Amino acid sequence: GQNIDQPTEMTATEGAIVQINCTYQTSGFNGLFWYQQHAGEAPTFLSYNVLDGLEEKGRFSSFLSRSKGYSYLLLKELQMKDSASYLCAACNDYKLSFGAGTTVTVRA
Amino acid sequence: DSGVTQTPKHLITATGQRVTLRCSPRSGDLSVYWYQQSLDQGLQFLIQYYNGEERAKGNILERFSAQQFPDLHSELNLSSLELGDSALYFCASSVERDICGEQYFGPGTRLTVT
Repeated sequence: GQNIDQPTEMTATEGAIVQINCTYQTSGFNGLFWYQQHAGEAPTFLSYNVLDGLEEKGRFSSFLSRSKGYSYLLLKELQMKDSASYLCAACNDYKLSFGAGTTVTVRA
Repeated sequence: DSGVTQTPKHLITATGQRVTLRCSPRSGDLSVYWYQQSLDQGLQFLIQYYNGEERAKGNILERFSAQQFPDLHSELNLSSLELGDSALYFCASSVERDICGEQYFGPGTRLTVT
């Protein structure tokens, strides 16, 4: 089976940096996704890490360590519109398993 | 707008009933995925179809079934509905056959079972 853990909630100030951690235990691991989901809306793709290391995409970066079963999503220069749930998901050949999501609240 | 469409947007029905949810993938995408999102269970992968064939199966109940038609649209059938089936049902599509590819999610169908 697959077990995905991420914090339930995080709060940060506008302009700050927040790091959302995700640990996973899965058989036949292929890669790790991060999705953003605003309340009542569909998830939208942020990143997909297959290899170890950091991938930067604008204000968002994602890191993966396959040996540690660990990933994080880094959100820089936080904006109010970044208030959302962030879902970490691990995939193998035939299954994509999502964590429960981390609700990030950005305060002015 | 992801390009994935789902109908209906909302559905209210009674326990024991059967409903059909419909999804049209983005133009050119051959894979369709179905997900269930409830407050207590998070986002759960149900099933994937690729070019009309079942490709991967997740936590889909036996009361639920799906299919993908030659025009690539997909339907998710939910039968003998229970209160616990109340959830948001998302469809997603991808150009890739493998599940480990970027997926584009539709706006979802909110199902309420009373």
